[in-house]
Amino acid sequence: KAGVTQTPRYLIKTRGQQVTLSCSPISGHRSVSWYQQTPGQGLQFLFEYFSETQRNKGNFPGRFSGRQFSNSRSEMNVSTLELGDSALYLCASSLPGTGWYGYTFGSGTRLTVV
Amino acid sequence: SQQGEEDPQALSIQEGENATMNCSYKTSINNLQWYRQNSGRGLVHLILIRSNEREKHSGRLRVTLDTSKKSSSLLITASRAADTASYFCATDRDDYKLSFGAGTTVTVRA
Repeated sequence: KAGVTQTPRYLIKTRGQQVTLSCSPISGHRSVSWYQQTPGQGLQFLFEYFSETQRNKGNFPGRFSGRQFSNSRSEMNVSTLELGDSALYLCASSLPGTGWYGYTFGSGTRLTVV
Repeated sequence: SQQGEEDPQALSIQEGENATMNCSYKTSINNLQWYRQNSGRGLVHLILIRSNEREKHSGRLRVTLDTSKKSSSLLITASRAADTASYFCATDRDDYKLSFGAGTTVTVRA
């Protein structure tokens, strides 16, 4: 079956702009999480959604937001981009329940803010 | 902030040798997972060990968990060039998120 799909793969934006990243989870997976990866801070949790509800949120400013649609696809938005937002943004999906084995990650969206 | 710390930061070994990396964490956990990342791409799930388990095997991978010491180790046996990657431990406290360590970069020399 298809894996987790993130679009776009690469993105270059100017400081002050906003950006929307998309994530399509594995079919049947209803939990979608987002992570930011930078050389300085490593992998940091952004937020998690399950059945369109945000269940947890990381320690990021309000410029970072997300949502999940009824088909489990998710988007995250970053407004008023700063140079420090340059990072690899990873999406992960999972199917919680008995025998749960972990998360499946997408290949990521590499965002460069100039 | 990161929950875990990994040791060593980098490891260089010869093909065929074993690679061992360690992960320490700070709080109680529900399970601990190991992931591999190749050249800044997505993370690949390797193995999950639950808090009531002490050791788990998957192919050439062996993971141990010591909850009293809040530590875990990942052993890769008979390493191959394709094992060259960064390896991350991640703790799960059953709060819908993973807390990652800083990672160990493994280079397997031919």
